[in-house]
Amino acid sequence: DSGVTQTPKHLITATGQRVTLRCSPRSGDLSVYWYQQSLDQGLQFLIHYYNGEERAKGNILERFSAQQFPDLHSELNLSSLELGDSALYFCASSVGRDFTNEQYFGPGTRLTVT
Amino acid sequence: GQSLEQPSEVTAVEGAIVQINCTYQTSGFYGLSWYQQHDGGAPTFLSYNALDGLEETGRFSSFLSRSDSYGYLLLQELQMKDSASYFCAVRDRWAGGFKTIFGAGTRLFVKA
Repeated sequence: DSGVTQTPKHLITATGQRVTLRCSPRSGDLSVYWYQQSLDQGLQFLIHYYNGEERAKGNILERFSAQQFPDLHSELNLSSLELGDSALYFCASSVGRDFTNEQYFGPGTRLTVT
Repeated sequence: GQSLEQPSEVTAVEGAIVQINCTYQTSGFYGLSWYQQHDGGAPTFLSYNALDGLEETGRFSSFLSRSDSYGYLLLQELQMKDSASYFCAVRDRWAGGFKTIFGAGTRLFVKA
C-alpha cells in the first residue's frame, strides 16, 4: 500500500459525458501527478501540481482539466468523453516541488467509455 | 524529440538472471528510473540512476551509461513473483522544469 488513494476504482460511462477522478496523496506529500495508461501502453504524463499550483503539463487534452485543493487532494476532470479515453488513470505523489525519481502511485481508476 | 526504447517482452527461467535494456533520447537528461507493475496493479519504484555505474538493491541492480544513453535493469535469482512489466523512465528537463517520460514497458515472464 503506497498510501495514495484514488476513487472510484472503476467507472463506466457513455461518450459525451463528464467524469471526475479523485486522488489523495500520501501524508506529507505536496506534489500530485496524473498519468494515463491505455491498454498495453506505457504511462503518459498528464499534469503535475505542487501545493495547489500547476507545475508542469504533459500530453493533457483540452477536454481534461485538473486542480489541487488546499487539503492537497486532487481531482482530474474529463469531459466530452470519447471511446479513446478509456484507460487506467493513475495519480502519484511525492514530497518535493520538482519531478522526483521516486513517485508513489495510487491503485488507479479504470475508466471505460462506451 | 524524446524517446525511450526497451524490449517488449523477455522470458526467463526461475532462478536465472535477466537483463532488461533501455536506450533513451532526450533533450535534458537528468536520470533514469525503473518501475515494476504487476497486471492490474500500480507502478512501484525500483531504482534511480543519475550517475554512471551500477546501483544494487537486493536482487535488483540498475546500470547507467550517460555517454551511451543506455541503461539496464538486472534481476537476479528470478522468482515467479517477478513476472510483471518493467518500465524505464527518464527524468528530463524542459522549459517548465522537469518531467518524467516512461518507456512502453518490458513484459517479463518467469517460467518454472
